[in-house]
Amino acid sequence: DAMVIQNPRYQVTQFGKPVTLSCSQTLNHNVMYWYQQKSSQAPKLLFHYYDKDFNNEADTPDNFQSRRPNTSFCFLDIRSPGLGDAAMYLCATSRDRQVNQPQHFGDGTRLSIL
Amino acid sequence: GDSVTQMEGPVTLSEEAFLTINCTYTATGYPSLFWYVQYPGEGLQLLLKATKADDKGSNKGFEATYRKETTSFHLEKGSVQVSDSAVYFCALRESGNTPLVFGKGTRLSVIA
Repeated sequence: DAMVIQNPRYQVTQFGKPVTLSCSQTLNHNVMYWYQQKSSQAPKLLFHYYDKDFNNEADTPDNFQSRRPNTSFCFLDIRSPGLGDAAMYLCATSRDRQVNQPQHFGDGTRLSIL
Repeated sequence: GDSVTQMEGPVTLSEEAFLTINCTYTATGYPSLFWYVQYPGEGLQLLLKATKADDKGSNKGFEATYRKETTSFHLEKGSVQVSDSAVYFCALRESGNTPLVFGKGTRLSVIA
């Protein structure tokens, strides 16, 4: 089945040690999103790619960056994770940015900071 | 700015009970409205959507009607099952250039 796959499901890193989360999709969608979801809260959009065009949300910390080397893959890099960055990170895709297009989510990567 | 307000949870129901989860929104234009469901340990799945006033979205026995006059999009199901236990998020999107705005989510537990 076509889907959005996130690896790993669980990631543990040390305070200040760079970490990369990955997302791949077989849907051939143009748009890929990264969300941060803290416990018992709504997902919060960090940024998205429309094709190769990167779109950062205004309140996303500089510590968070992203790369999209091709249509299928997108990475979330956290340069110096702090304790407050412990969360579930969700990747999503949509065919385009039309307002009524649904977003297809992966199962998420739960990040823990030691 | 745009916002979504959902009823506070958790909601606990017995199997076969009627479910309503209230959702109201604030938007400057005419947003599309969505309900997403998140099962334990998983990502979000689109449950249903409505793109204009008076549209009814439906899926898996769940329904929600886009009510512009009351700025609401309440989720209903006539008879819930244990397998419906999850967190439900109401969301809106105004345009292709704006993000999906989620409510805080409502946790539903259905007991046999």
